[in-house]
Amino acid sequence: AQSVAQPEDQVNVAEGNPLTVKCTYSVSGNPYLFWYVQYPNRGLQFLLKYITGDNLVKGSYGFEAEFNKSQTSFHLKKPSALVSDSALYFCAVRFKAAGNKLTFGGGTRVLVKP
Amino acid sequence: NAGVTQTPKFQVLKTGQSMTLQCAQDMNHNSMYWYRQDPGMGLRLIYYSASEGTTDKGEVPNGYNVSRLNKREFSLRLESAAPSQTSVYFCASSEPDGTGVQPQHFGDGTRLSIL
Repeated sequence: AQSVAQPEDQVNVAEGNPLTVKCTYSVSGNPYLFWYVQYPNRGLQFLLKYITGDNLVKGSYGFEAEFNKSQTSFHLKKPSALVSDSALYFCAVRFKAAGNKLTFGGGTRVLVKP
Repeated sequence: NAGVTQTPKFQVLKTGQSMTLQCAQDMNHNSMYWYRQDPGMGLRLIYYSASEGTTDKGEVPNGYNVSRLNKREFSLRLESAAPSQTSVYFCASSEPDGTGVQPQHFGDGTRLSIL
């Protein structure tokens, strides 16, 4: 069965420092991978996706993610975090056999301190 | 520029009461979804509709029913609410883009408490 894990419930980082949010997945095929962000009392917003091709994917708000097939990981990164990046981040995976259904990780809360 | 609209935003029910959560999208998307969000568990798919006239169960369908009223609207019904259904409910929609892999667009959620 497909699954996705976000091993950290919370990540704390100082403003201006690099931010990394981890995501790993289990696979029985070629996955499509997504990152979403959720601000308080709002729905999820799409950040970026990996389908195929270049392992480094660039997305909205200066975020990027690196697909690593051997480690089955898709970590989200930002070179210099902003206080406004404080939010809940979700990794999600879709497998071709599952249509367009997504499986979400449990979420990682990011707190960027001034 | 509404996107996905959910009503109501908040609701408190008593155990055993029924309720319908409404969702409408104005992006002409074919696919629509209902999720529930619980702390530490991410989002779990309740039901989805790949296109108008079709619905299928997701990961946690028990205690819920859905209706795809037309292309725009997808409602979620709780026939007899239980405290375990206290959650935040999200509706989403999607449509193929150039890659054929569709990001989902989410509403702002309905916060439902069942006493």
